Amino acid sequence: DIQMTQSPSALSASVGDRVSITCRASQDIKTYLHWYQQRPGKAPNLLIYAASRSQSGVPSRFSGSGSGTDFTLTISGLQPEDFATYYCQQSYYNPVTFGQGSRVEVK
Amino acid sequence: QVHLRESGPGLVKPSQTLSLICSVSGGSISSDGDFWSWIRQYPGKGLEFIGNIYNTDDPYYNPSLKSRVTISGDPSRNEFSLKMTSVTAADTAVYYCARRTLPSGSGSHYAFDSWGQGTLVTVSS
Repeated sequence: DIQMTQSPSALSASVGDRVSITCRASQDIKTYLHWYQQRPGKAPNLLIYAASRSQSGVPSRFSGSGSGTDFTLTISGLQPEDFATYYCQQSYYNPVTFGQGSRVEVK
Repeated sequence: QVHLRESGPGLVKPSQTLSLICSVSGGSISSDGDFWSWIRQYPGKGLEFIGNIYNTDDPYYNPSLKSRVTISGDPSRNEFSLKMTSVTAADTAVYYCARRTLPSGSGSHYAFDSWGQGTLVTVSS
């Protein structure tokens, strides 16, 4: 299986900060990389698909970049509702696999 | 907008079979282009893809679980189900059903765009 490694596992930030989370794949996955946000007690929610395309309804402060093995999710201007856990997921190889998650906490 | 809802026992005894149903509204499990999936999340928060069906049939299973898992669809009820045999405590998790589809303009980049609320299944005697 393709291993997806996220960093950092957790970070502390303040409202208004610019935050970046990285995801590294164990093999080339082109741009078959998606990002999800999960709030406590809720299901994951699709934010970014195909590495850089924003899902409908997702605020423009969320952006994604990368291809091959290295990807980044950036939140420009952190809002109170953005304190959550973020997961990357690859869909180039079967079975699809997820990163271990990156928790964004209040500083 | 598609809505999914999981249902089934929250407690299963070791060695028994876990059975869950996902009820779908606002979309059809018979529609072309959508894969109807099961995903689980361990207490430590890791997410694991279990498998999916396409057009009420054609299942794909994660090879790590293939010997114990069956996913099937009931188009008359617009539901699909998960059965997992010989469960152990390691199968304790929140189980989600989800739709895997092609977001607008994504080419072939299937992503999970709709999820159920999840149901906790505990394996314990």
